[in-house]
Amino acid sequence: TQLLEQSPQFLSIQEGENLTVYCNSSSVFSSLQWYRQEPGEGPVLLVTVVTGGEVKKLKRLTFQFGDARKDSSLHITAAQPGDTGLYLCAGAASNYQLIWGAGTKLIIKP
Amino acid sequence: KAGVTQTPRYLIKTRGQQVTLSCSPISGHRSVSWYQQTPGQGLQFLFEYFSETQRNKGNFPGRFSGRQFSNSRSEMNVSTLELGDSALYLCASSRSLAGDTQYFGPGTRLTVL
Repeated sequence: TQLLEQSPQFLSIQEGENLTVYCNSSSVFSSLQWYRQEPGEGPVLLVTVVTGGEVKKLKRLTFQFGDARKDSSLHITAAQPGDTGLYLCAGAASNYQLIWGAGTKLIIKP
Repeated sequence: KAGVTQTPRYLIKTRGQQVTLSCSPISGHRSVSWYQQTPGQGLQFLFEYFSETQRNKGNFPGRFSGRQFSNSRSEMNVSTLELGDSALYLCASSRSLAGDTQYFGPGTRLTVL
């Protein structure tokens, strides 16, 4: 059974601070997706990383895919209250199924 | 292009009853996946349908079932409801199989009393 461990589960920080969320697995994924979910809504795709070692930037968010395509990180610089939400990672397995992390609940306090 | 729609948005049932939830995917999308989300939990995968065939199934009891129609619309059914079935049920569509980008609906909030 493929697992994707996401950490931390919960993070509450002040506006302006930096943070990193991790997704780790012992399995290789063909791609890894990051989603953000706000209360009362479904998750929305932020980015997909495909190549080992790939780094993608989305304004203050930086996503990295590990060289071996087993892990990924999301780094937020100078967090803002609008970044508050549930962040989910999902890896595409060899049987085309998405394996989901448990999520990181992020709260940015003004 | 219209997004994924789910009906109803909210539902209250009692133990032992059954419920049917509906999902209309984005036009042109052939894959529909269903997820259960409980407070503090990530997404628990229920099943995925592609071209009217169930392609993948999560680790849920047989009380949970689904189907997909020729127009890609999908329904999921939960029979003999239990208190623990109270959750947000999310539907997601994608162009191809689930490894592709998933576009989620707003979910159906099911409360079992």
